[in-house]
Amino acid sequence: DVKVTQSSRYLVKRTGEKVFLECVQDMDHENMFWYRQDPGLGLRLIYFSYDVKMKEKGDIPEGYSVSREKKERFSLILESASTNQTSMYLCATSGTVKNIQYFGAGTRLSVL
Amino acid sequence: EDQVTQSPEALRLQEGESSSLNCSYTVSGLRGLFWYRQDPGKGPEFLFTLYSAGEEKEKERLKATLTKKESFLHITAPKPEDSATYLCAVQPRTGGGNKLTFGTGTQLKVEL
Repeated sequence: DVKVTQSSRYLVKRTGEKVFLECVQDMDHENMFWYRQDPGLGLRLIYFSYDVKMKEKGDIPEGYSVSREKKERFSLILESASTNQTSMYLCATSGTVKNIQYFGAGTRLSVL
Repeated sequence: EDQVTQSPEALRLQEGESSSLNCSYTVSGLRGLFWYRQDPGKGPEFLFTLYSAGEEKEKERLKATLTKKESFLHITAPKPEDSATYLCAVQPRTGGGNKLTFGTGTQLKVEL
């Protein structure tokens, strides 16, 4: 079974703090993704990576950055958290053959 | 721009009352259409991938079908444990990184 582990289920941060969300996968997948999910807006892609040290902007990259130093780990960084970044953050991975994205359990981030 | 519209937004069924969820899409060449199930507070769980019009896939009480413009998720004799949000996503044939565009989901509640 594919295992995608997100470091925290719940996180509370203050406005202006730097926030790191970590995602680790054990399937040797090339592709990794970060989404945020908000009521009525669905899942929106923030950033994705198709290889180590490679990254591509998704649909809503503003206010976020990412890091992929190792194949199994993909980090999402909020340089200076703001209240409008309060959301559910989901990490996903996929291989290059079946293209099925497998998701982690999510991190619910609250920025106060 | 790829678009996915799901209907209805919410659906309440009695146990055993069969129904269908709709996913309408526009995409510049379809590589795959994906169905996911999401339970509250959890990440989406993969159900099916459909690749070409006329294709059908089944899993227990769920059956997914695909035409050139839409996909249906048919639920036969549902049980309370089928209650969840069902998400549809499309992957275009061109473009990078196995990106998916998601709909906003149908929230299904099955009552005794």
